[in-house]
Amino acid sequence: EDQVTQSPEALRLQEGESSSLNCSYTVSGLRGLFWYRQDPGKGPEFLFTLYSAGEEKEKERLKATLTKKESFLHITAPKPEDSATYLCAPGSNSGYALNFGKGTSLLVTP
Amino acid sequence: GAVVSQHPSWVICKSGTSVKIECRSLDFQATTMFWYRQFPKQSLMLMATSNEGSKATYEQGVEKDKFLINHASLTLSTLTVTSAHPEDSSFYICSASKGFTGALTDTQYFGPGTRLTVL
Repeated sequence: EDQVTQSPEALRLQEGESSSLNCSYTVSGLRGLFWYRQDPGKGPEFLFTLYSAGEEKEKERLKATLTKKESFLHITAPKPEDSATYLCAPGSNSGYALNFGKGTSLLVTP
Repeated sequence: GAVVSQHPSWVICKSGTSVKIECRSLDFQATTMFWYRQFPKQSLMLMATSNEGSKATYEQGVEKDKFLINHASLTLSTLTVTSAHPEDSSFYICSASKGFTGALTDTQYFGPGTRLTVL
């Protein structure tokens, strides 16, 4: 059975304080690891897709990396507008659907 | 590109009535659309997957007769909550993808969500 665990559940950072969010997964045949950002009361916004171990992608202050068992979302010098819930979801041989983790709620204070 | 809209953004209805939610892909053709529900402070729970012109595939525990899904075209899917009850109150979100790209899972693009409140 596919499983995904995100940690920490919640993270509070000072503006400029870099950190990493973790996504651990167990799937039958990874077909892509997806990261989304979700603001309260809105649908998730696509950030990255990673397909193979060792792959990295960057967007502004965010960088996503992938190993065979985990993915990390590194946030460098975050700003208050980076506050959101970050969701990861692996795609697998199970089918079209994504299995979403519970997310990490990030709060960046000025 | 890859914009998905939902309508309405929020709806309040009386218990026992039916509510229809529309999901549209505005700038691409969506071979596959997905419907999720999300309770407060919880993650997205997949309800069903639909492909254009065929019957939806429902997740275990989701009542097919209660949550009717129609994927009539490559840009439109609808979710109808029939005989809604207060326990159906939730945030419903759709997503759309361009299709299953060979051995890789295609990116899902999400709509803004619909807040349903059943009184």
